[in-house]
Amino acid sequence: DTEVTQTPKHLVMGMTNKKSLKCEQHMGHRAMYWYKQKAKKPPELMFVYSYEKLSINESVPSRFSPECPNSSLLNLHLHALQPEDSALYLCATSLAGVNTDTQYFGPGTRLTVL
Amino acid sequence: QKEVEQDPGPLSVPEGAIVSLNCTYSNSAFQYFMWYRQYSRKGPELLMYTYSSGNKEDGRFTAQVDKSSKYISLFIRDSQPSDSATYLCAILTGGGNKLTFGTGTQLKVEL
Repeated sequence: DTEVTQTPKHLVMGMTNKKSLKCEQHMGHRAMYWYKQKAKKPPELMFVYSYEKLSINESVPSRFSPECPNSSLLNLHLHALQPEDSALYLCATSLAGVNTDTQYFGPGTRLTVL
Repeated sequence: QKEVEQDPGPLSVPEGAIVSLNCTYSNSAFQYFMWYRQYSRKGPELLMYTYSSGNKEDGRFTAQVDKSSKYISLFIRDSQPSDSATYLCAILTGGGNKLTFGTGTQLKVEL
């Protein structure tokens, strides 16, 4: 199984809602990542988890809250988002988060904040 | 200066053409270079991964790294309409688990 799955595919939420994005992998990878991608822009790193511990937070606002409950799952909890947070949210995984790794991406969740 | 720079295009070529996509980078210490392909509204798909200088070939795709010029290239031979996508160069920075992308080049291969 070489797939990274993300749910939901699409999400529309209001600024007062609380929602969560989910990422799952069964490749035995121990590093997992959240990226944000705006239209016609490259992905921008948000968070990195290595062996279920948060290792990088790229100064992301606290309205985004990541969680790694086990080695196969990565969640991104959303609360009080702004319309400018509308984007494609991508999950990626790599073997162990070291130099020789390659990152494999999921299909993304397209988020619209009204 | 940005860590990675890439011409955004768009680039339009006829079917069967050889396509050359390029990026430059700023830090000579970078060693791990990747090319991703991204179709519209999909996640990036890893195409090629190269370490240090030299060429790497996979089917119709060749990745080239010139560390002396800090220049990386992706060549696509016999381009097909199905190659129409955005191509992103990426470099592993920040100690190994931070991937920094170029802006992406939008490619259209026309019949």
